[in-house]
Amino acid sequence: AAGVIQSPRHLIKEKRETATLKCYPIPRHDTVYWYQQGPGQDPQFLISFYEKMQSDKGSIPDRFSAQQFSDYHSELNMSSLELGDSALYFCASSYGSLQETQYFGPGTRLLVL
Amino acid sequence: GESVGLHLPTLSVQEGDNSIINCAYSNSASDYFIWYKQESGKGPQFIIDIRSNMDKRQGQRVTVLLNKTVKHLSLQIAATQPGDSAVYFCAENNAGGGNKLTFGTGTQLKVEL
Repeated sequence: AAGVIQSPRHLIKEKRETATLKCYPIPRHDTVYWYQQGPGQDPQFLISFYEKMQSDKGSIPDRFSAQQFSDYHSELNMSSLELGDSALYFCASSYGSLQETQYFGPGTRLLVL
Repeated sequence: GESVGLHLPTLSVQEGDNSIINCAYSNSASDYFIWYKQESGKGPQFIIDIRSNMDKRQGQRVTVLLNKTVKHLSLQIAATQPGDSAVYFCAENNAGGGNKLTFGTGTQLKVEL
């Protein structure tokens, strides 16, 4: 079965640079979620989109923005990167937005030097 | 409030034994709960979910128990196998609070041969 696709899988950036993470949800899924996971920590919710509209917002820094496009893929844009942004970034998708099973992608490992 | 794990509790079991992983949640308004399995370097993998109108749900080799009185969730894995070795997270959602998942502190399950 098709899964959530994330690209790139690994990314190395310098401080103050920008990064763009991409997420392609499972076919027919209309909701995407972004989570950040620091080393040894649990995933923390950042933001979600349902039918191309922002549906919920968590602890996402103002330096980050995201959107969902007409083909339902989503991009997380990160600017003025800081060392503390180094983490795993997961995208999840679901069909429907209210208490539907969220299926996670393999993640993007971001390292900020 | 949010739970963030600073270090992972570890459960070691012998192959073939049953495993019980526990989770305490803090939000009494949460009404949807999910267990995820996360292997090193991979995204969380859905195992089983339960809604607050149930106190038990069974899957293949797994059972989730929900005790809303004491805000406690457990995952039972029967006949634990080496492939079950991973970090297990419980996650909660409150329908009135958006579609984000709040993850609990993970538990590292180690299966000894």
